[in-house]
Amino acid sequence: QKEVEQNSGPLSVPEGAIASLNCTYSDRVSQSFFWYRQYSGKSPELIMSIYSNGDKEDGRFTAQLNKASQYVSLLIRDSQPSDSATYLCAASGSARQLTFGSGTQLTVLP
Amino acid sequence: GAVVSQHPSWVICKSGTSVKIECRSLDFQATTMFWYRQFPKQSLMLMATSNEGSKATYEQGVEKDKFLINHASLTLSTLTVTSAHPEDSSFYICSARDRSLAGGPEEQYFGPGTRLTVT
Repeated sequence: QKEVEQNSGPLSVPEGAIASLNCTYSDRVSQSFFWYRQYSGKSPELIMSIYSNGDKEDGRFTAQLNKASQYVSLLIRDSQPSDSATYLCAASGSARQLTFGSGTQLTVLP
Repeated sequence: GAVVSQHPSWVICKSGTSVKIECRSLDFQATTMFWYRQFPKQSLMLMATSNEGSKATYEQGVEKDKFLINHASLTLSTLTVTSAHPEDSSFYICSARDRSLAGGPEEQYFGPGTRLTVT
């Protein structure tokens, strides 16, 4: 069974700190990985995509991918209260469908 | 950026009635649209994959006769929940993939979701 697993949290960090979110996947065929942010009652919003090993930075966000370890992470620098949300990790497999993790709830404390 | 709309944003219906939810890609053509369901405090669960001009592919455990999907054009897919029951109450979200990116990145753009409550 293809799975994407995340530490469910909740994760709390003080404002200005680095928030680290982790994700592992079981399907070695997966080639594309995504981080979505979902505010309560809203639909997911794509914040990062990563396709090759290494780091990808976009503003305060850095995604890291290690295909050998089947591991994806998201770092949020200078965390803000507005970053408080549930973060969903997703992997796209051979069928080009997305498999989502259960999400990590992040709270940034002012 | 790619925009996906859904209508209605919320709906309340009586048990036994049917409800239709529309998903539209506003500024791009979508060869493939996806329908998800999300229960409170849970992650998104893929219900079906909808390809323009062909029958939808349903995930295991999703009743295709209960959740009717029609993808009549490259910008519109509809989900009809037939004979709805209280246990169908959920947050239904569609997503679409840009046709121009066929073979490229797998990014999906999500609609704002439709909250269905069946009384």
